[in-house]
Amino acid sequence: SSELTQDPAVSVALGQTVRITCQGDSLRSYYASWYQQKPGQAPVLVIYGKNNRPSGIPDRFSGSSSGNTASLTITGAQAEDEADYYCNSRDSSGNPQEVVFGGGTKLTVL
Amino acid sequence: QVQLQESGPGLVKPSGTLSLTCAVSGGSISSSNWWSWVRQPPGKGLEWIGEIYHSGSTNYNPSLKSRVTISVDKSKNQFSLKLSSVTAADTAVYYCARDKGFGFDPWGQGTLVTVSS
Repeated sequence: SSELTQDPAVSVALGQTVRITCQGDSLRSYYASWYQQKPGQAPVLVIYGKNNRPSGIPDRFSGSSSGNTASLTITGAQAEDEADYYCNSRDSSGNPQEVVFGGGTKLTVL
Repeated sequence: QVQLQESGPGLVKPSGTLSLTCAVSGGSISSSNWWSWVRQPPGKGLEWIGEIYHSGSTNYNPSLKSRVTISVDKSKNQFSLKLSSVTAADTAVYYCARDKGFGFDPWGQGTLVTVSS
């Protein structure tokens, strides 16, 4: 099955812009979805498809994709954005009905 | 608004079978969505376990496929997970989630299952 690779940790100064990336062969065929997870809470979908936000997600969150890399961008990071972020997609390596998650990126807002 | 709630034993003995149920409220499990189980060992990342459609079709993570069974009960609007031959490595928070085809939303609150004698 495919793998999705994320940087383990990223930091950003308050109010600045940060990009979190996710790499994998499956992303050449499928869009990534992005999830925010705060300590002790369930993950929350923040970006899906080409660049779509579920209701209630601030517009400072955006997504993009190029080749085998998907990116989640937070423009004007806030203290409450400090969390773990995970990407996922369908697996294109064999059975398209499998799902894969990235290892997660811990975002620190300084 | 669809809500999901996991339930089941919080402690399972090694070599036993982990059994969890996810109750769906605010919507029908027979809608055009897949329903998934995802787990997260303490301090680690998310791992997809498998999914089911209301017709009973399933897909499983190859690494767990030999030990996993996911089933659906449309009359109770719920779906279930069974994981056999568990070891300490199966200790995790188990989440159920709706797969809308473009992402998992919503998720249940999660339930911690500990494998220990």
